[in-house]
Amino acid sequence: QVQLQESGPRLVEPSGTLSLTCAVSGDSIINTHYWSWVRQAPGNGLQWIGHIYLTGKTNYNPSLKSRVTITIDRSKNQFSLTLTSVTVADTAVYFCARMLVGAYSWFDPWGQGALVTVSA
Amino acid sequence: EIVLTQSPGALSLSPGERATLSCRASQTVISDYLTWYQQRPGQAPRLLIYGASRRATGIPDRFSGSGSGTDFTLTISRLEPEDFAVYYCQQYDTSTLTFGPGTKVDIK
Repeated sequence: QVQLQESGPRLVEPSGTLSLTCAVSGDSIINTHYWSWVRQAPGNGLQWIGHIYLTGKTNYNPSLKSRVTITIDRSKNQFSLTLTSVTVADTAVYFCARMLVGAYSWFDPWGQGALVTVSA
Repeated sequence: EIVLTQSPGALSLSPGERATLSCRASQTVISDYLTWYQQRPGQAPRLLIYGASRRATGIPDRFSGSGSGTDFTLTISRLEPEDFAVYYCQQYDTSTLTFGPGTKVDIK
């Protein structure tokens, strides 16, 4: 059974950098999937942040592109998110997810989510 | 960027009733890349329907999806207590993807 688990600081100061890691178990990160980050501000809907392919190729949400970096660590079977210059608007639950793209496309499974609060 | 609009924003129904949720796109969506998720409070989203009409593994047959082009529908034929949740549609378009704002189905 594939499982994803987010980890990282849950409190970040404004103008600081948000960093999260997603550990993958039950699947190899070098399989033909995309590994993604999605966030959800309190009481709001889902926002795709970006994803990375096993080759290291990335795609980011245009609204966040200037501040986002997603990297992959094949040796640790994990991938990471960095979001710079954060503001209170970046307070959200951050989910990591495996994204399949082929004949169809979907996110499954998802991590349980990590609430990151931006506050002084 | 393809914008997805979901309607209604909220739906109040009783168990056993039928729920019809709409997802409309600002431009044509590849049906194979139209997906529906269910999210219960405090939980991660759960894959329901992919390819506009194909149920994911383990999803009860009371859930069905349909549509093409810019108009898609998720139907729950008879609501069970565990179905009261928020439902999101999502599309993938080559290098980017977007979610709809969600439809909340709550108990009347």
